[in-house]
Amino acid sequence: EVQLVQSGGGLVQPGGSLRLSCAASGFTFNTYWMHWVRQVPGKGLVWVSQINSGGTYTNYADSVKGRFTISRDNAMNTLYLQMDSLRAEDTGVYYCARLLRHCTDGDCQKWFDPWGQGALVTVSS
Amino acid sequence: EIVLTQSPGTLSLSPGERATLSCRANQTINSLFLTWYQQKPGQAPRVLIYGASTRATAIPDRFSGSGSGTDFTLTINRLEPEDFAVYHCQHYAGSPPVTFGGGTKVEIK
Repeated sequence: EVQLVQSGGGLVQPGGSLRLSCAASGFTFNTYWMHWVRQVPGKGLVWVSQINSGGTYTNYADSVKGRFTISRDNAMNTLYLQMDSLRAEDTGVYYCARLLRHCTDGDCQKWFDPWGQGALVTVSS
Repeated sequence: EIVLTQSPGTLSLSPGERATLSCRANQTINSLFLTWYQQKPGQAPRVLIYGASTRATAIPDRFSGSGSGTDFTLTINRLEPEDFAVYHCQHYAGSPPVTFGGGTKVEIK
């Protein structure tokens, strides 16, 4: 079964740090790009970061650039999100997700599947 | 940046009725890059439709997607009890940012 299992959420004070993990199973992890997406409970989804299959290329939303670091350990089939200098507005449920593509004649459809179960991060004093 | 606006915010319908959900982009987008997800309370999103109109694996045929340019639609024919959920549209062309609409909640009337 293709699965992403997350760990590492919790309560942290403003300015603190937290690391989220996302353990993959059931597929060849080192051939897929991976993403992190945040959701404030009751609100919409917001993209946070992406990393390529080899871990050599990353991108971040402007709101987290310079504070968050995405990484992966392909030997351990695990994706990470290191979150530093946390702010109240970083509060939310964080999901990891695998990027799937289907390409025809050079055009590629892209979507996220599966998603991890989510990890709640609460930044509060 | 692509901005997606979903409407209505909430749709109140009865089982057996048809749901029509809208996702509008602020500029023309390639339909290949438009995806619909379903999210139930306490659960992660799951993909329903990618490439604007292709159903994902194991998604029932009562779900269909259509549209092009700036206007996209998710239609759910004959609502089943398990279809009452929040639906999100997403645009991702391969380079960030990935953008999502604000979501439409389909609730039981």
